Amino acid sequence: QVQLVESGGGVVQPGKSLRLSCVASGFTFSSSGMHWVRQAPGKGLEWVAVIWFDGSNAYYGDSVKGRFTISRDNSKNTLYLQMNSLRPEDTGTYYCARDAGDYASFFKDWGQGTLVTVSS
Amino acid sequence: QSVLTQPPSVSAAPGQSITISCSRGSSSVGETFISWYLQVAGTAPKLLIHDNEKRPSGIPDRFSGSRSGTSATLGITGLQTGDEATYFCGTWDYSLRAWVFGGGTKLTVL
Repeated sequence: QVQLVESGGGVVQPGKSLRLSCVASGFTFSSSGMHWVRQAPGKGLEWVAVIWFDGSNAYYGDSVKGRFTISRDNSKNTLYLQMNSLRPEDTGTYYCARDAGDYASFFKDWGQGTLVTVSS
Repeated sequence: QSVLTQPPSVSAAPGQSITISCSRGSSSVGETFISWYLQVAGTAPKLLIHDNEKRPSGIPDRFSGSRSGTSATLGITGLQTGDEATYFCGTWDYSLRAWVFGGGTKLTVL
């Protein structure tokens, strides 16, 4: 069965950096677009970024553009999110999700999430 | 403020039916495919409906999706207490080059 397991969350001070990872199994990782979606405590879903199946292209949400970088290592079935210049408003649960196609289909599978808290 | 608009809450008794709307102001959501996700409190979202109306395997036919004019709609029949969750709609916005979600609708089964 498909599994997406996020890790790397934690408490970090404003302005610092953090890198999240998502290890995938149960499907051909190198054939799927992959996303990061976040959710602030008690709030709705906010899309963060998507990367093409081969890592050749990526799109970002406006609130993270220039600060976050999505990447992937298909040899390790792993998706990453490098988060720099973190702000308190970046606090929330970060989910990795598999696209049914390249980037604009739908979120077919979701991980269980990893919590990021940005606070001094 | 979400690009897609959903009612914040809906409630009904067990066995009844409900609908949840998802609209995008003056732009018709009929131009793009809508997908729906349910999220039980404290858990990850789960795909419920994709391509406006298609159910993944394992999703009961009590759940249905449709689109008409400026809105997409999620329907649930034969409500069960286990259906209590928050339901989100989402779509890819080609002009924004971004995924957008509705604010979510919390379903309470009384």
